[in-house]
Amino acid sequence: AQTVTQSQPEMSVQEAETVTLSCTYDTSESDYYLFWYKQPPSRQMILVIRQEAYKQQNATENRFSVNFQKAAKSFSLKISDSQLGDAAMYFCAYRSVDSNSGYALNFGKGTSLLVTP
Amino acid sequence: DAGITQSPRHKVTETGTPVTLRCHQTENHRYMYWYRQDPGHGLRLIHYSYGVKDTDKGEVSDGYSVSRSKTEDFLLTLESATSSQTSVYFCAIRGLDAYEQYFGPGTRLTVT
Repeated sequence: AQTVTQSQPEMSVQEAETVTLSCTYDTSESDYYLFWYKQPPSRQMILVIRQEAYKQQNATENRFSVNFQKAAKSFSLKISDSQLGDAAMYFCAYRSVDSNSGYALNFGKGTSLLVTP
Repeated sequence: DAGITQSPRHKVTETGTPVTLRCHQTENHRYMYWYRQDPGHGLRLIHYSYGVKDTDKGEVSDGYSVSRSKTEDFLLTLESATSSQTSVYFCAIRGLDAYEQYFGPGTRLTVT
């Protein structure tokens, strides 16, 4: 089974600054998907960004971008111009393209992001 | 909003009692999932379904069973609840674009 590791249990950033959350994963597959989910205090799981492994180009969504290093099996999330509303738990997740896993997500343990004024 | 509801949203129950959590979707998606979320563990897959009456186990399936008799409903049952099953339970569906999973609002279950 694929494992996803988030080595930073907690991170802190000042408003308007940039922060990078780390994620590494272990897989023997060549094609897969990677995701970052945000979970605010409301508990709702919100997709922030996704990356297809076959794509060389790093995904971006407004202030959120990723640094996808396939050979290093690394998938970090960069949040630019941090806002108070970015404070949340962030989860990195892996999904196989193989139907044998039911296309289920494998999650990391999460990184709690604190945004200070 | 992918039209996913979970019931109940909160439940407190005693050790040894049976508990059933319900996930309901309105958009006819084939794949549905149950995850549990615990501090320090992220979300872990309990069971998933790939169609009516078609289910399979996930990483943490011991002590849980599921059923799917209709496309729109996926039930998670704890036959005899234990304190280790105190958790937040999320239902999810696989979106039509096949990339994203959409999550329900979660059910907080406390077993005393």
